[in-house]
Amino acid sequence: EDQVTQSPEALRLQEGESSSLNCSYTVSGLRGLFWYRQDPGKGPEFLFTLYSAGEEKEKERLKATLTKKESFLHITAPKPEDSATYLCAVQPKGYSTLTFGKGTMLLVSP
Amino acid sequence: DAGVIQSPRHEVTEMGQEVTLRCKPISGHDYLFWYRQTMMRGLELLIYFNNNVPIDDSGMPEDRFSAKMPNASFSTLKIQPSEPRDSAVYFCASSLARVRNQPQHFGDGTRLSIL
Repeated sequence: EDQVTQSPEALRLQEGESSSLNCSYTVSGLRGLFWYRQDPGKGPEFLFTLYSAGEEKEKERLKATLTKKESFLHITAPKPEDSATYLCAVQPKGYSTLTFGKGTMLLVSP
Repeated sequence: DAGVIQSPRHEVTEMGQEVTLRCKPISGHDYLFWYRQTMMRGLELLIYFNNNVPIDDSGMPEDRFSAKMPNASFSTLKIQPSEPRDSAVYFCASSLARVRNQPQHFGDGTRLSIL
């Protein structure tokens, strides 16, 4: 059974204080690992897809990396508008579905 | 382009009543997914369709839940009869299979409260 575990459950940062969110996964063959951002009262918004170990993707202050067992979402010099819940999901090979982790709730204080 | 549209945004009803949630996927997308999100269990897949055909409904919790997709631009998720434990946020998502690893695009959900 595919499993995704995200840590920490919640993270509070000061503006400008860089940190990383972790996504550990077990899957029988990885087709893709997805990162989403979810704001309160909204649906998840797509950020990145990573396909193979060693791959990295960047968007503004966010950088996602992938190994064979986990993915990290690095947040550099965060701003209050980066506050959201960040969700990680895996898609197994041969499947169209995603298995999501429970997310990390990030709060960035000014 | 318009995103995934869900209605209603909020629904409050009494136990035992029938509830119908609606979803309009992104035009041209051939996959449609229904999810349920709770604090305890996170985001769980209920059922998904490909080209309007249900492919996997193993995530549907009970026979009280049913979903249909009569055409490419509309889907419903129905709960009958509803129970308090069905209270959650229900999301619809769509994607385009022809593009490799095309991400799922989500609507803003329906917050359902069963009293």
